[in-house]
Amino acid sequence: NAGVTQTPKFQVLKTGQSMTLQCAQDMNHNSMYWYRQDPGMGLRLIYYSASEGTTDKGEVPNGYNVSRLNKREFSLRLESAAPSQTSVYFCASSERGGRTDTQYFGPGTRLTVL
Amino acid sequence: GDSVTQMEGPVTLSEEAFLTINCTYTATGYPSLFWYVQYPGEGLQLLLKATKADDKGSNKGFEATYRKETTSFHLEKGSVQVSDSAVYFCALSGISSGSARQLTFGSGTQLTVLP
Repeated sequence: NAGVTQTPKFQVLKTGQSMTLQCAQDMNHNSMYWYRQDPGMGLRLIYYSASEGTTDKGEVPNGYNVSRLNKREFSLRLESAAPSQTSVYFCASSERGGRTDTQYFGPGTRLTVL
Repeated sequence: GDSVTQMEGPVTLSEEAFLTINCTYTATGYPSLFWYVQYPGEGLQLLLKATKADDKGSNKGFEATYRKETTSFHLEKGSVQVSDSAVYFCALSGISSGSARQLTFGSGTQLTVLP
């Protein structure tokens, strides 16, 4: 039982390049989330997926797209990377997305955009 | 909207000292409250949670009580260890307009415990 896994762990991009961050969970959870973590700002929600086939914007969605490929996988795409997207990205999942649910986090992807 | 305010860090303590990290929140209705911990180079993991007023969450010697009258959820531990050195995040799960509850995080508090 690996929990939530993310690839890659590290990535360096040039401005304007594109990339996809991958996330998978093996806990049969319905809801999945993408956050970014910036110094002194905690974590901010980019996009989430309440269940397979649905996605919704979070607090900071601009410059990102997501795909809920199936129940297990939720990917985050940067179409044209900008230096402001330099951050650590975390994927998370929860059983139902309910108020009392615990969210389980992956180990993160550290992205640098030059 | 919802918000979480955490005690500014960094906090440095000697081993066996008492720890308090303050957390207050603003939210509509009755949120659930969480403390997450992030060890160096790792993702966040749940430390404890409380889902209604006056509930006390506890784990690994850490405790926090959901105080609705003061909108607070302060984290405490009676005797910290070097292994407790990490970043601690207070978070809430409240009413959201979407179809899944979202976590709103505080800015995090870096704790360093010296031997």
